[in-house]
Amino acid sequence: DTEVTQTPKHLVMGMTNKKSLKCEQHMGHRAMYWYKQKAKKPPELMFVYSYEKLSINESVPSRFSPECPNSSLLNLHLHALQPEDSALYLCASSQDRASGRWEQYFGPGTRLTVT
Amino acid sequence: AQTVTQSQPEMSVQEAETVTLSCTYDTSESDYYLFWYKQPPSRQMILVIRQEAYKQQNATENRFSVNFQKAAKSFSLKISDSQLGDAAMYFCAYRSKTSGSRLTFGEGTQLTVNP
Repeated sequence: DTEVTQTPKHLVMGMTNKKSLKCEQHMGHRAMYWYKQKAKKPPELMFVYSYEKLSINESVPSRFSPECPNSSLLNLHLHALQPEDSALYLCASSQDRASGRWEQYFGPGTRLTVT
Repeated sequence: AQTVTQSQPEMSVQEAETVTLSCTYDTSESDYYLFWYKQPPSRQMILVIRQEAYKQQNATENRFSVNFQKAAKSFSLKISDSQLGDAAMYFCAYRSKTSGSRLTFGEGTQLTVNP
């Protein structure tokens, strides 16, 4: 099973709204990632959690707030977003070093539109 | 820092024919991973194939195979017997074994399969 799930699939929000994106995996992976992807461009890394601790923050604006409640769940809290934040937000997970397998498995993404 | 270059923004192939997508990368490391991901219009990034740099044998997954030339820092993807479902954006990606979990992506190649 190599499934990563994301909810919602689509989200439209105003600039004053607060919303959250959710990601879940049950593969026992210990690293989880948030990416932002614009049309016809590669994903851009936003955050990495390793063993439920934030290990990488790619200088993402504070209006994006990640949270990792447990090893299977990853949230991205959104507040006061700008129209340029409209994009596809992808979640991914990967195994830890002990397994020797490093590939990232991606979820289907959330299409976010900020109005 | 590592860089990944995909020099073909767009490629097309006739159904049942073979097509090769190019990828070159730059790194000073000797051990790393390389991946090809496929992103169809449904948006989900799907892992197609992985290659470990220390393995000389080229990876193969059914109709997908790679030509890994470590000295030339080249990692091309060959798709045999192309099918309509192969139409997608293909991203080449690099991951260091020693310096964290970050994936470095190329800009992508949009593959069209003509019936």
